[in-house]
Parts: sequence; C-alpha cells; structure tokens
Amino acid sequence: AQSVTQPDIHITVSEGASLELRCNYSYGATPYLFWYVQSPGQGLQLLLKYFSGDTLVQGIKGFEAEFKRSQSSFNLRKPSVHWSDAAEYFCAVGAMGRYGGSQGNLIFGKGTKLSVKP
Amino acid sequence: DAGVTQSPTHLIKTRGQQVTLRCSPKSGHDTVSWYQQALGQGPQFIFQYYEEEERQRGNFPDRFSGHQFPNYSSELNVNALLLGDSALYLCASSPVTSGGRYEQYFGPGTRLTVT
Repeated sequence: AQSVTQPDIHITVSEGASLELRCNYSYGATPYLFWYVQSPGQGLQLLLKYFSGDTLVQGIKGFEAEFKRSQSSFNLRKPSVHWSDAAEYFCAVGAMGRYGGSQGNLIFGKGTKLSVKP
Repeated sequence: DAGVTQSPTHLIKTRGQQVTLRCSPKSGHDTVSWYQQALGQGPQFIFQYYEEEERQRGNFPDRFSGHQFPNYSSELNVNALLLGDSALYLCASSPVTSGGRYEQYFGPGTRLTVT
C-alpha cells in the first residue's frame, strides 16, 4: 500500500539557519510527490511538486526538494529560514490505482511542525 | 481569480445530528475532493467528484456522502454525527489533465466540532 512517512514530528531551527524536512514514501513506480504548508487554522498551500524529469524541484517561498528514487525520499530544503516559515509541512504522494492509473487523490504524511527561534 | 472557497468556516453540532458542508472550486477546475483532517494528523481522503459522480472513495463509512452540482460546486454531508467526526474538513479542486498529473488546490476548510 502507498504511504508517506515524515519521521520528524516537530523541528525547531533558528532564524537564518538552513532547513531540511524529511519525507519517505512507499510506492512501486515513479510517484507524483508534493509538499504543502499549513499555517494554523488555515488550509493547505502547495509549495512544490514533482512529476518527472529533473529531480531537484524549485518551489515558492525559496523552498526546494530533491527526489531520490534510491532512498524513496523527497526531502524539503530551504537555505535560510524566516520567522514567517513557522507552520506545519505536509508531504504527499498521488495515489495510484492497482493498474497504475492515477486515482486522483493524495496520501499525506502526518506532518512536521516547524518552529523558528529568533 | 477566486480560489477554493468553503462554507461555513466553523460549525458546532450535537451527536446524532446531520451536517452539510459546501465548497466552490477554483475557476477552471471541475474535480472536487474532500479530506478530513483530525487534530495533529495529515488530511485523509474522503471522496472525489467529477462530472457530478463520485469517482473515488477513501475508507469512510456511508454516513459520509456528497454531491456535485452542474457548476462544479460540491457538498459534503455527514449523518448521525459522532464525536470522532470533529475535524477540519478540507475541500480541494483540480483540473482533469492527462495522466492525472494535477495538483490539488485546497480551501481554508470548515472546522466541525461535535459535542
């Protein structure tokens, strides 16, 4: 079964420090991968997505993620964190049907809460 | 360009009652998905509507039902509410493209509290 694991429940970084949020997926073929951010009490905003091609994808707000097939990972990075980046971050994989076709829904990890120290 | 909108923002219901949540998709999108996000959890897929039909369904009981209208807006209905139905309900819309390579755009959600 497809699944997404975000090993870190809560991460605290200092403002200006670099950030890496981990995401591992379980899926047999090339997945569609996404990172979303959720501020308290808000919906989800798409940061970036990976469908195919270049394994390093750039997103909004200075975020990037790297797809590593050998490690089944899609880690999110940012070189310098700003206080406004404090939020919860969700990694998701596009669900695929038994015969490979997209089912059209997303499977989410449990999220990583990011706190930023001044 | 309006994004995905949901109403109401907050809702308080009593166990056993029924509730209806509403969603209007982003302009140009014709597919609507609903997710339930319990406190401290990631969103879980409830179902998806396209062309006014339920196309996919997650692992949710029949108490959860939905509808899509000709203008692509959608409703989520939950009958016989349980305390465990308390959650943030998220609506997401997407355009149907070849290969299913679409990203989903989420609304702000409806916070449902069941007492």
